[in-house]
Amino acid sequence: GAGVSQSPSNKVTEKGKDVELRCDPISGHTALYWYRQSLGQGLEFLIYFQGNSAPDKSGLPSDRFSAERTGGSVSTLTIQRTQQEDSAVYLCASSVDNHSGNEQFFGPGTRLTVL
Amino acid sequence: AQSVTQLDSQVPVFEEAPVELRCNYSSSVSVYLFWYVQYPNQGLQLLLKYLSGSTLVKSINGFEAEFNKSQTSFHLRKPSVHISDTAEYFCAVSARTGANNLFFGTGTRLTVIP
Repeated sequence: GAGVSQSPSNKVTEKGKDVELRCDPISGHTALYWYRQSLGQGLEFLIYFQGNSAPDKSGLPSDRFSAERTGGSVSTLTIQRTQQEDSAVYLCASSVDNHSGNEQFFGPGTRLTVL
Repeated sequence: AQSVTQLDSQVPVFEEAPVELRCNYSSSVSVYLFWYVQYPNQGLQLLLKYLSGSTLVKSINGFEAEFNKSQTSFHLRKPSVHISDTAEYFCAVSARTGANNLFFGTGTRLTVIP
């Protein structure tokens, strides 16, 4: 089935390097979300895209984090100058539209390890 | 903003015993309520949700949750658990208006013991 896919599944990087994480949402879903799952912090919202509207960036922890969504489909989360505290599983989710009662479908995540 | 509290980080329970996973939330606005489940080596998936209407909602695999507005709770229950219910369970809320993102609790790891 065509669920949400993410790549890479695992990424190990050195402190200070930049990383890019990719998310392919379910075809036709207009809403796309990024979350971070880290030990002791649970799941934290990072950023939300809806159609062609300006994204809601209110969850991004610092200006080292950015994301874009090209053509209303694929999204890339970029972390610049990675720090050890960025180590976490980064989850992408999509939903059919921006109604907050809709189910969000999650991808398998990218496990990021910063050495 | 909203916040969700899951007080029990781990719940071990014997097979065929009942279980309750507790969830309390705090919000200045009306919310929708969700339980998501993450089975071992799998992604998060929706278990059940409360949007409106009957405060008791049920999943296809025997779980149920009841929205209690006065206690701001949405506890998850199952009368008889199976080995296959072993997973991590996340309670979440989203605002009915405004921001659409989910606010999650820290999760409860349910381990069913044979």
